[in-house]
Amino acid sequence: DVKVTQSSRYLVKRTGEKVFLECVQDMDHENMFWYRQDPGLGLRLIYFSYDVKMKEKGDIPEGYSVSREKKERFSLILESASTNQTSMYLCASSSTRWYSYNEQFFGPGTRLTVL
Amino acid sequence: SQQGEEDPQALSIQEGENATMNCSYKTSINNLQWYRQNSGRGLVHLILIRSNEREKHSGRLRVTLDTSKKSSSLLITASRAADTASYFCATDVWGNKLVFGAGTILRVKS
Repeated sequence: DVKVTQSSRYLVKRTGEKVFLECVQDMDHENMFWYRQDPGLGLRLIYFSYDVKMKEKGDIPEGYSVSREKKERFSLILESASTNQTSMYLCASSSTRWYSYNEQFFGPGTRLTVL
Repeated sequence: SQQGEEDPQALSIQEGENATMNCSYKTSINNLQWYRQNSGRGLVHLILIRSNEREKHSGRLRVTLDTSKKSSSLLITASRAADTASYFCATDVWGNKLVFGAGTILRVKS
């Protein structure tokens, strides 16, 4: 079974802090994603990585950066957390093999509260 | 950029009834996928339908796709309390990304 794990289920941080969210997948997937989920807005893509050290901005990259130094690990960084970044953060991965049809596998999510 | 829009936003039914959710999208797609999210958890893939398919079944799930109307529907038959969750459609448009809709919240009352 594909497993995607996220470093924390719940996280509380203060405004201005630097926040790291970690995601690890164990299926040798090439693609990894970070989404944020807010009520009524569905999932919005923050960043996407298609290979080690490669990244692409999603729909809402402002205030975030990412790092992918190893294939299995994709980190989301909030350089200076703000209250409007309080949200549920979801990590996902997918394979580039044609028969995967870009199906994504999700981690359990990290609920981040910025005070 | 939201490609898919689910309808209704919320649905409440009795156990044993069927639940139908709809998804509309704007551009041509390679495939369309449905995911389920239990409260406060990650999404789980349910079923995928390719652009050249019209209908697909998996257990109590039935998905239809009408590319001329750019719409899809997910039918859950004989619903159970455990089906209570949010359901999202996701379109595979190009590249390796999916575009998710805002979701339908389904509540099945026992």
